Amino acid sequence: EDQVTQSPEALRLQEGESSSLNCSYTVSGLRGLFWYRQDPGKGPEFLFTLYSAGEEKEKERLKATLTKKESFLHITAPKPEDSATYLCAVQFAGGTSYGKLTFGQGTILTVHP
Amino acid sequence: SAVISQKPSRDICQRGTSLTIQCQVDSQVTMMFWYRQQPGQSLTLIATANQGSEATYESGFVIDKFPISRPNLTFSTLTVSNMSPEDSSIYLCSVSSSRNYNEQFFGPGTRLTVL
Repeated sequence: EDQVTQSPEALRLQEGESSSLNCSYTVSGLRGLFWYRQDPGKGPEFLFTLYSAGEEKEKERLKATLTKKESFLHITAPKPEDSATYLCAVQFAGGTSYGKLTFGQGTILTVHP
Repeated sequence: SAVISQKPSRDICQRGTSLTIQCQVDSQVTMMFWYRQQPGQSLTLIATANQGSEATYESGFVIDKFPISRPNLTFSTLTVSNMSPEDSSIYLCSVSSSRNYNEQFFGPGTRLTVL
C-alpha cells in the first residue's frame, strides 16, 4: 500500500535555528512529491513540486530535496511567521485515480522569537 | 494560480440533514477534487469531480453519501447527506494548475460541525 510518513510530528525552534522536516514514502512509482504549508483555519498553500531524485527547489528560507525514498524540507534561519503545519503529499504513477494526492500527517512547526 | 472560493466557510448542522458546499474558481480548470480533513488528521481524497459525467469516488466514499456535481469548468458542489457527528470535518476543494496538471491548489475549506 502506498504510504506517506512525516517526521517529526511537531517541531519547536528558536528564531534563527535551522532544521529539517522529513517525508518518507513507499509508492510503486512516483509521479511527483508536493510540499504544502497550512495555517490554522485555512486551506493548504502550495510550496514545491519535486519529480526525480536529486532535484532541489528553493523559496526564501525553504529548500526541498528529494531522494528515491524520502524528501526533506530544510528551513534556514526560520522566523516566527514560518510557524505552520507543513504537509507532504505524493502522487503515484499508475492506479485509477489520476491526480490523487496521498498526504502525510504533517509536521507542526512552531518558531519562537 | 487560480483563485478558489468555497461557500459556506463554516456551518453547524443537525444530525440527519444535508449540506451542499460550493466551490467556485475564477478561471476554467481541467480537474477539480474534493478532500476531507477530519479533526487532527491529514487530507483524504473523497472524489474527482468530472465535468459532464459522474464523479470518480475513492474507496470508502459513495455517491449516495457524497453526491457531487460539476456543471462546468469553473464550479462544483459537494453534498454531505444524512449527516452524523462523524462527518464533522473540513471539506476542501482543489483544482489542477493550468500550467502543470500535476500541481493542485486548494480552496479555503468549509468547516462542518454536526451536532
